[in-house]
Amino acid sequence: NAGVTQTPKFRVLKTGQSMTLLCAQDMNHEYMYWYRQDPGMGLRLIHYSVGEGTTAKGEVPDGYNVSRLKKQNFLLGLESAAPSQTSVYFCASSALGTRNSPLHFGNGTRLTVT
Amino acid sequence: SQQGEEDPQALSIQEGENATMNCSYKTSINNLQWYRQNSGRGLVHLILIRSNEREKHSGRLRVTLDTSKKSSSLLITASRAADTASYFCASQQGAQKLVFGQGTRLTINP
Repeated sequence: NAGVTQTPKFRVLKTGQSMTLLCAQDMNHEYMYWYRQDPGMGLRLIHYSVGEGTTAKGEVPDGYNVSRLKKQNFLLGLESAAPSQTSVYFCASSALGTRNSPLHFGNGTRLTVT
Repeated sequence: SQQGEEDPQALSIQEGENATMNCSYKTSINNLQWYRQNSGRGLVHLILIRSNEREKHSGRLRVTLDTSKKSSSLLITASRAADTASYFCASQQGAQKLVFGQGTRLTINP
């Protein structure tokens, strides 16, 4: 049982380049989330999805887009990367949403934008 | 800032001792969750305590919640080297809003 899988694990981008981070979960969870983790800032929610075909903005959505075309996958896109987007990105899923159930996290993608 | 606060930021104790970490938050909550993060890994859920609960146990872990003081604590008893990690609290504040603290780095010395 893989749980939540994120690809890639590491990536270096130049300013202005684009990329997509892929998250896949095999737990049949309805809810999926993208967070970023920065030193001294804890985790901050970027976007989330409450089910296939839905997306919603979190706390820090600017510069990112997401798509949930299939229930098991949640994609995070950076259209034009900026140095401020250097961070560790975590995907998470939840069976019933954070009000009723915990999050299951992937192991993260470390992104550096130069 | 919407971020919760954790205290202490870092804690170093000897193996076998108990470790206590504290968390404060700023608004009413539905639940409070504790997570552990080992270096270079994702967060792992430890305990979820609902706003109408005051204490919860899981193995060597004990979590308390005081909604009147907007605070929670995590106690790890009889610590082991494998408990070395960062610990985060997260307060559930409505919809899908889960606000994480900045974490406590716990080091268990053999």
